[in-house]
Amino acid sequence: AQSVSQHNHHVILSEAASLELGCNYSYGGTVNLFWYVQYPGQHLQLLLKYFSGDPLVKGIKGFEAEFIKSKFSFNLRKPSVQWSDTAEYFCAVNDISGGSYIPTFGRGTSLIVHP
Amino acid sequence: GAGVSQSPSNKVTEKGKDVELRCDPISGHTALYWYRQSLGQGLEFLIYFQGNSAPDKSGLPSDRFSAERTGGSVSTLTIQRTQQEDSAVYLCASSPSGRPGELFFGEGSRLTVL
Repeated sequence: AQSVSQHNHHVILSEAASLELGCNYSYGGTVNLFWYVQYPGQHLQLLLKYFSGDPLVKGIKGFEAEFIKSKFSFNLRKPSVQWSDTAEYFCAVNDISGGSYIPTFGRGTSLIVHP
Repeated sequence: GAGVSQSPSNKVTEKGKDVELRCDPISGHTALYWYRQSLGQGLEFLIYFQGNSAPDKSGLPSDRFSAERTGGSVSTLTIQRTQQEDSAVYLCASSPSGRPGELFFGEGSRLTVL
């Protein structure tokens, strides 16, 4: 079965620390990749996406993610986190080569940033 | 502009009752999804509608769950004879044509089955 793994379930950082959240998937074909974020009390929203082209993707609020096809990974990074980055982060993968339009989500990573 | 609208935002019901959850997608979005989010879990896919095509119901956990989408717009998720394990946040999302997997989510409907 198709799966998406997020290795870190809970991450606690101090402001200005660097962030990297792992995401791995099990599909072998062409994929669309996403990171979604859910801030406290808010709905899920798109943080960044990869469809094709440059594997280093820039998103909102200084986030970026790198697609490494050989490692089936799409890790999320931010060089210096802020208190306002406290949120739940979800990786999602859409298996395009399988003809699916239904993204599979990871279990999420809860990030707490201390001021 | 208007986002995805879901109602009710909260629903408390007794075990065995039926519930209906409503989703009004972003105007012009052809795809509509229902997911379920339980505490500590990720998003569990339930059902997918694309235009006038037959829906993909492969994620529905049992025959107590059903959904319909009328006129290619508003969708209703119905849960019959609710059980305590149905307690979760039910999320609706819509997606524009040509951007598969790029979802715009509503606020969700929190269902509590007593």
